[in-house]
Amino acid sequence: QKEVEQNSGPLSVPEGAIASLNCTYSDRGSQSFFWYRQYSGKSPELIMFIYSNGDKEDGRFTAQLNKASQYVSLLIRDSQPSDSATYLCAVRSGNTPLVFGKGTRLSVIA
Amino acid sequence: DGGITQSPKYLFRKEGQNVTLSCEQNLNHDAMYWYRQDPGQGLRLIYYSQIVNDFQKGDIAEGYSVSREKKESFPLTVTSAQKNPTAFYLCASSIDLLGQPQHFGDGTRLSIL
Repeated sequence: QKEVEQNSGPLSVPEGAIASLNCTYSDRGSQSFFWYRQYSGKSPELIMFIYSNGDKEDGRFTAQLNKASQYVSLLIRDSQPSDSATYLCAVRSGNTPLVFGKGTRLSVIA
Repeated sequence: DGGITQSPKYLFRKEGQNVTLSCEQNLNHDAMYWYRQDPGQGLRLIYYSQIVNDFQKGDIAEGYSVSREKKESFPLTVTSAQKNPTAFYLCASSIDLLGQPQHFGDGTRLSIL
């Protein structure tokens, strides 16, 4: 059974700080890694994806992947109250659907 | 505008009743998926389809059925065999299964009467 683990939170950070969200996965053969943001009562929306080791930056968001450690993270710089949501990590291995973690709830305090 | 349309937004089921949730996409995606989300939980895969007239069970397929007669449509039936159907149901699609992000519809919230 392929597993994706996330700390459920809540992770509370002050406005303007860096929020760091972490995800580990069990299948060493995993190839694609995705971060989704889900506001309460809404559907998930894709915010970042990463396929190669290292960092990938998009605006205030940076995804970091370390395949040797089976670890992927999402950094949110200059956190805003509008970033308060649940962040879902999703991992794909081979020709199979994404496996989602349970999500980390982020709360940005103004 | 391309996207995924789920209907209805809210649905109520009586005991012993089958209900069908609609999912339509105009993104020309081959792959479609159904997920169930319970409060405070992640997404659990019910069924997925890679191509028309073909679909596979996910992790929690018992009590559910699907069809894929058209590329654009992937309806989910929640049967009376599903004893705890109250949840948020999400439909998604992607170009294919190989490393592509999934795009989600707005979801259907199903409750028991």
